[in-house]
Amino acid sequence: AQRVTQPEKLLSVFKGAPVELKCNYSYSGSPELFWYVQYSRQRLQLLLRHISRESIKGFTADLNKGETSFHLKKPFAQEEDSAMYYCALSGQGAGSYQLTFGKGTKLSVIP
Amino acid sequence: DTGVSQNPRHKITKRGQNVTFRCDPISEHNRLYWYRQTLGQGPEFLTYFQNEAQLEKSRLLSDRFSAERPKGSFSTLEIQRTEQGDSAMYLCASSLTGVLNEKLFFGSGTQLSVL
Repeated sequence: AQRVTQPEKLLSVFKGAPVELKCNYSYSGSPELFWYVQYSRQRLQLLLRHISRESIKGFTADLNKGETSFHLKKPFAQEEDSAMYYCALSGQGAGSYQLTFGKGTKLSVIP
Repeated sequence: DTGVSQNPRHKITKRGQNVTFRCDPISEHNRLYWYRQTLGQGPEFLTYFQNEAQLEKSRLLSDRFSAERPKGSFSTLEIQRTEQGDSAMYLCASSLTGVLNEKLFFGSGTQLSVL
């Protein structure tokens, strides 16, 4: 069974401070990992995916298979980063297209 | 708006009634997904279509739930004999096949309240 754990329900940081949103996963195969974000009154949308090794809006995430983690980081938080963030895992390698989401972390950036 | 469209936005029903939701995916997307989200939880996978074929169903999808995607375009999700536990946000998403680690585009959802 695949599982995604986001240990923090709420994370508050000051503007300009570094941000790290934690995500740990459990999956027996080779995981495909994603971060989705939902800004206030907007739809859930993809932020980034590990396979692309991209940086979106200053955010990066590195897959650490040894620690089974995929933490989301940003060196300097901005007020517009305040949102709900969901880590998600896909079993595409096993032929499954379902995403398993964590419970989410609400990021609040204090001006 | 060329994004994923879901109707209705809100639905209030009495326990025991049947409800149906509609999802119109992005026109060129051949994959369509249904998720359910309750308060304080992340979205939970319900089912997935590739074109008109329903290829995956979650164990969460009881016999009271049925989804269709006739002609591989829009999709409907029907819940029969609704229960209070069915109250949730029902999300639809679509994606395009052939793209590695494809990106899901979500709709705004249908909020169901069962009284």
